[in-house]
Amino acid sequence: DAGVTQSPTHLIKTRGQQVTLRCSPKSGHDTVSWYQQALGQGPQFIFQYYEEEERQRGNFPDRFSGHQFPNYSSELNVNALLLGDSALYLCASRSAVSTDTQYFGPGTRLTVL
Amino acid sequence: ILNVEQSPQSLHVQEGDSTNFTCSFPSSNFYALHWYRWETAKSPEALFVMTLNGDEKKKGRISATLNTKEGYSYLYIKGSQPEDSATYLCAFASDTGNQFYFGTGTSLTVIP
Repeated sequence: DAGVTQSPTHLIKTRGQQVTLRCSPKSGHDTVSWYQQALGQGPQFIFQYYEEEERQRGNFPDRFSGHQFPNYSSELNVNALLLGDSALYLCASRSAVSTDTQYFGPGTRLTVL
Repeated sequence: ILNVEQSPQSLHVQEGDSTNFTCSFPSSNFYALHWYRWETAKSPEALFVMTLNGDEKKKGRISATLNTKEGYSYLYIKGSQPEDSATYLCAFASDTGNQFYFGTGTSLTVIP
């Protein structure tokens, strides 16, 4: 049973560019959340997708957008990259009908130069 | 923005020592408290989900307690082993439980 997978592992972009990160949830999970972990901080909630819609959003600008596909996989898009967007981006999945916790992927390390 | 604090920030212990860390969170609008272990270059691994005041959970040598009225949780490791070396994160979930608020973690190093 594959856990949560993310791609790519690492990514280097320059300021102003756009980036797309991808996540496949754990088998049986239908809800995907995205988190940003900047250096020295805990993961910060970006948003959560369920039934292909954004269900809840954290305190992030509109430059951060997402999408969920019918197979429950998800993308995180960041436009007009800033140096401060450099971070580890984590994807987590869970089942909407379960009281179980969220399961995390290994993350995508984004560096903005 | 909800404030979740973990202490200490880092900890070095000798193999065989027992240790504990603290997670402090808001005592209102509590839904659940989650503990994760995160080893370098791996995914965070779920340890416990705690929902009821007074909850105590155990997994091998690791256990956790929960006090929702005063807003804290303790994680205990008995007889630390080098493989316990990792960052331990707690996450507070309020209201519907959809959004997790993480602490900055406690980095544990167990010296052989």
